[in-house]
Formats: sequence, C-alpha cells, structure tokens
Amino acid sequence: EPEVTQTPSHQVTQMGQEVILRCVPISNHLYFYWYRQILGQKVEFLVSFYNNEISEKSEIFDDQFSVERPDGSNFTLKIRSTKLEDSAMYFCASSEWAGKNYGYTFGSGTRLTVV
Amino acid sequence: DQQVKQNSPSLSVQEGRISILNCDYTNSMFDYFLWYKKYPAEGPTFLISISSIKDKNEDGRFTVFLNKSAKHLSLHIVPSQPGDSAVYFCAASAGNTPLVFGKGTRLSVIA
Repeated sequence: EPEVTQTPSHQVTQMGQEVILRCVPISNHLYFYWYRQILGQKVEFLVSFYNNEISEKSEIFDDQFSVERPDGSNFTLKIRSTKLEDSAMYFCASSEWAGKNYGYTFGSGTRLTVV
Repeated sequence: DQQVKQNSPSLSVQEGRISILNCDYTNSMFDYFLWYKKYPAEGPTFLISISSIKDKNEDGRFTVFLNKSAKHLSLHIVPSQPGDSAVYFCAASAGNTPLVFGKGTRLSVIA
C-alpha cells in the first residue's frame, strides 16, 4: 500500500538552528499538508500546499516556517531559527483530492527536539 | 480555540465489550467528520468518516454516530479487541478546508 515517508524520524537541534524536515508524499497525490503535535496536545494544522504554492496556513506558520517542493517528489518543511516551543512531532500528509471524503494519508512523523 | 473537543483523554474497556469514544465540536460550518487511529511511533491512519447529511455510518466493527443538533459525534467499536488499543483522534472540516483535530483519546482494551 502506498505510504507517505518522512525523514528523519528524530531530529535534535540547538535553539536558533535551522532544520529541514523531509517528506515524500504518495506519488499521485496533489495536496500536501504539515501538521504538528506538541506532546499531550492536539494535532495542529500548519500549512497546506497545492500546485506549488501554499493554499492555506495557520497562525502557527509564521515567517520562521517555509515549505517547498523542490523536485516534484519531496515536500519539505523548514524552520529557520528553532525555538524551544517548536519541539513537537511533525506529521506530513497528502491527499489525492482537496475533498475531505478521501481523508489524508499521514507519514510516521518526525520528532523534533529543540535543546 | 478548540473547535474539536475530545474531553476524555483516556478510556479503558474490557475485550469483547463496546468502546464509545466521544467528540464535540463548536463550528457549525463543519460538514465532514473523520476518526483517525494512531499507534505509537506511527502517523494517524484514517478509520471512518461521516458526512453531515448522515447520522450514522458503519464499517465492520466501527460505527460513527453524528448528532448535529448537539454538535456531537461518537465512535463505537464492537466488540473491542486488544489490537484496538491506540489513540483515537476526531477530526472535522468545513468545505475543503484542512482537517481540524481534537486532542485524542487513548483507548486501552484489556484482555
């Protein structure tokens, strides 16, 4: 069964450093998403991406965050200058259509720890 | 602003009995609701969904009930099995907006 692949599974970084989280969505999917879950909290929407541009973003997704689909297969989330409060599990997801009927397929996540 | 609320952080049920997971929402524009299941070290996986035009959807052991007037939905698992032990997330969307998730309920099915 097709899956969404995320790397690395765990990233430890120092506060103020830049991190890039990588995702390979399912190949025929057109809509891509990043969500995060701070320990014990809800899964929060960060950004959605379609046709090589951001289609929607939350207030969490400020200027420190950016997304890119550099080569048609990878979908990356960059945090420019990490803060302690960015420590969370980051999930990438993709869907074939924007319609919610199809649900999203999530990756296994990247656990980001900012120290 | 918690638009999707799962007020029970955890639930324990005996194997073979019914598990009922509850979810409340505040946004009356939500028209589609989904349940996701998450095992440790894995991403959420889609379980079952329901459109706001229905009040029930069933898939094997899993049934989702929607009460629009109460802005409440529930997931029933019958019979519960130890492999159902996971965190269950309720999610909702309005139109084609991104899914909004609740905090999750950890279900433990005890053999």
